[in-house]
Amino acid sequence: ETGVTQTPRHLVMGMTNKKSLKCEQHLGHNAMYWYKQSAKKPLELMFVYNFKEQTENNSVPSRFSPECPNSSHLFLHLHTLQPEDSALYLCASSQSLRPDTQYFGPGTRLTVL
Amino acid sequence: QQQVKQSPQSLIVQKGGIPIINCAYENTAFDYFPWYQQFPGKGPALLIAIRPDVSEKKEGRFTISFNKSAKQFSLHIMDSQPGDSATYFCAASINSGYSTLTFGKGTMLLVSP
Repeated sequence: ETGVTQTPRHLVMGMTNKKSLKCEQHLGHNAMYWYKQSAKKPLELMFVYNFKEQTENNSVPSRFSPECPNSSHLFLHLHTLQPEDSALYLCASSQSLRPDTQYFGPGTRLTVL
Repeated sequence: QQQVKQSPQSLIVQKGGIPIINCAYENTAFDYFPWYQQFPGKGPALLIAIRPDVSEKKEGRFTISFNKSAKQFSLHIMDSQPGDSATYFCAASINSGYSTLTFGKGTMLLVSP
């Protein structure tokens, strides 16, 4: 595996379900990010981790819960989501928060019914 | 102050044409301006980037023009090909320290054969 991988690639869940998105980076980076991509809107930064420590939480609702057990893995735990949370969730990694080294994964397409 | 405004929202050109996508920003502290290319089912990929000490940068068929006084930058695609059909995002950040990318809303480009 190379680059940034995300699983699952597609996820359909009901509003009462609990699911998790997984991201893994194979680039030796130490910062990881979650973004939300909705149609006709800019990419929204959700969370940033640097050396496993959360450095940014952009007023994300508590129904999204991130976890970063090490610099290579990032999870997004989902519970009691709303239909408006349906979007493409992108994971990215970078070297020491440098935006010029940021590399994106392919995303997880989430549909909330 | 953190916004990056991108236009047009969508663009159709014929093969061989030169599509131009424009972005404008307000924060004069921004010093790193990348463009990302995203194909369906993929995450955004860094295409080309510029810093404000130069007014133009070329990489292959892709050129960024930068106007510091106007706080605008644009992407030109020379001799466009159907394979260039994708969504293009401009972004900006302060690269000299901890910073995250602020993205435009994206431009969906279609190059017709």
